[in-house]
Amino acid sequence: AQKVTQAQTEISVVEKEDVTLDCVYETRDTTYYLFWYKQPPSGELVFLIRRNSFDEQNEISGRYSWNFQKSTSSFNFTITASQVVDSAVYFCALSEALLAGGTSYGKLTFGQGTILTVHP
Amino acid sequence: NAGVTQTPKFRILKIGQSMTLQCAQDMNHNYMYWYRQDPGMGLKLIYYSVGAGITDKGEVPNGYNVSRSTTEDFPLRLELAAPSQTSVYFCASSWRGALSGANVLTFGAGSRLTVL
Repeated sequence: AQKVTQAQTEISVVEKEDVTLDCVYETRDTTYYLFWYKQPPSGELVFLIRRNSFDEQNEISGRYSWNFQKSTSSFNFTITASQVVDSAVYFCALSEALLAGGTSYGKLTFGQGTILTVHP
Repeated sequence: NAGVTQTPKFRILKIGQSMTLQCAQDMNHNYMYWYRQDPGMGLKLIYYSVGAGITDKGEVPNGYNVSRSTTEDFPLRLELAAPSQTSVYFCASSWRGALSGANVLTFGAGSRLTVL
């Protein structure tokens, strides 16, 4: 069975600090996708990034960066120079394996979420 | 382009009552999903559908039913509401990307249900 663990329940930082959110996953699939979603106080879930299991290249997008390490089954998310608007719950998620034909049903297994609070 | 629309946003039910949470998407997505989010927990999949007329159970389907008569709509029915069904419910949809593999989910704004 697939499992996603976000060990950090809550993180509190002061604005401009860097913060890393940890995500560890378990799967027996050799092909899978990992996601990060953000849930701001308004409640909707916003897609941030998707990585596939074939591509361990780390990615940077503005103040956001992601570190995918297959050897340790981790997909960590770092916010550089945090801002108050980054305050939200962040979810890491894992998809099921690709089906024959190269698609999946997109069913996601979510971690418990990490509540990030950035103080001014 | 409204995306994924859920109604109602809030609802209070008495134990034993029934209700339907509505979900509609206007993106012509093949796949639709219902998740529930309990406090301090991640989202758990209740039911999903890969196209009109096709539905399947997720991780926590007990106490719920779904139907998918059209591509656009995917209502979630709660029969005999119980306090354990107090939660925030999210509907989501995704496109069946032929080559990209896993689909990125677009979520609705959520429906907060309280069963007393």
